[in-house]
Amino acid sequence: AAGVIQSPRHLIKEKRETATLKCYPIPRHDTVYWYQQGPGQDPQFLISFYEKMQSDKGSIPDRFSAQQFSDYHSELNMSSLELGDSALYFCASTSDRSPYEQYFGPGTRLTVT
Amino acid sequence: QKEVEQDPGPLSVPEGAIVSLNCTYSNSAFQYFMWYRQYSRKGPELLMYTYSSGNKEDGRFTAQVDKSSKYISLFIRDSQPSDSATYLCAMLIAAAGNKLTFGGGTRVLVKP
Repeated sequence: AAGVIQSPRHLIKEKRETATLKCYPIPRHDTVYWYQQGPGQDPQFLISFYEKMQSDKGSIPDRFSAQQFSDYHSELNMSSLELGDSALYFCASTSDRSPYEQYFGPGTRLTVT
Repeated sequence: QKEVEQDPGPLSVPEGAIVSLNCTYSNSAFQYFMWYRQYSRKGPELLMYTYSSGNKEDGRFTAQVDKSSKYISLFIRDSQPSDSATYLCAMLIAAAGNKLTFGGGTRVLVKP
């Protein structure tokens, strides 16, 4: 079965640079969630989209923005990167039929040097 | 204090033993309770989710929810070395955007 796809899988950036992370949800899933998982920590909710509209916002820095496109893929844009932004970034998707079953992608490992 | 607490472990058991995991939570508004398995450097994998208090069984996995005590459990029967992973409990409030609030995860080691 098709899963959530995230790209790139690994990303190395320097401080103050920008990064764009992409998420392709499971086909026919219309809701996307972004989570950040720091080293040794549990995932923390950043932001979510339903039908291309932002549906909820968590502890996402103002330096970050995100959107969902007409094909339901989502992009997380991160600017003025800081060392503390180094983490695993996960995308999860759900469908209207099973709104509580969030399926996670493999994650993007961002390293800021 | 975190809304969802989970013993970080590690929890080491011999192959074939029952693994017992649990979480406590403070927010009585949580409605749905999930268990995820996460292998190192991989994304969390949904194992089970439950809504009401009581038991739910799926193969070797049994989830229990006690809303009155704000306590949930996951039992893994006949544990295998391949069950070695970090197990995360997570919860959500349906009226609050369905975002997951995770426990810190328990690392489980199943020794052959």
